[in-house]
Amino acid sequence: DQQVKQNSPSLSVQEGRISILNCDYTNSMFDYFLWYKKYPAEGPTFLISISSIKDKNEDGRFTVFLNKSAKHLSLHIVPSQPGDSAVYFCAASGYGDDKIIFGKGTRLHILP
Amino acid sequence: GAVVSQHPSWVICKSGTSVKIECRSLDFQATTMFWYRQFPKQSLMLMATSNEGSKATYEQGVEKDKFLINHASLTLSTLTVTSAHPEDSSFYICSARLQEGAGIYSGNTIYFGEGSWLTVV
Repeated sequence: DQQVKQNSPSLSVQEGRISILNCDYTNSMFDYFLWYKKYPAEGPTFLISISSIKDKNEDGRFTVFLNKSAKHLSLHIVPSQPGDSAVYFCAASGYGDDKIIFGKGTRLHILP
Repeated sequence: GAVVSQHPSWVICKSGTSVKIECRSLDFQATTMFWYRQFPKQSLMLMATSNEGSKATYEQGVEKDKFLINHASLTLSTLTVTSAHPEDSSFYICSARLQEGAGIYSGNTIYFGEGSWLTVV
């Protein structure tokens, strides 16, 4: 049973436009959510996180939105840049739980 | 952000031999570290959770006798692939948990190492 779902395996966005990556989760006990970026043959890099007590967190070009009632979160990147081309993983954890559950990732292509 | 270092970055070993991969948290203490495996074009597969001073917790389907995990200190966890075979060739990634805040404001941010390519020939 997949607790964290990223239903779009890939996404192409024009450079300069907004990239929106979506993530859904099923476990209502999740209360902390994270986004990671991964280039080929490298370890994932932490991007941004959000606690369930918030519905938005912003860091530079990256904003994460959390809709708890819909069990949905999204990562917005604006403006999109060529270096943003990578695989993005959504992840979630529950309070007091050591594990972080990852989605399968969405490959983002930024088009020139 | 926090730094996690993994060594070696790549290693080639002969079938039947054992190889050790180290994972260090450089600027924080990590009571919990994680080991993942990634096959080409696939997601990260959690292999085991490594807790300092105790036995690792392995995910279902992961052979604990084949993938030995030791977390002897708060900054170091090691993964040893024993009697390696070509099908063990993969990209192995470790991560360490940095707990920040407290109570409902706490968060478990995981920082990853750079990954280690293992090729068994």
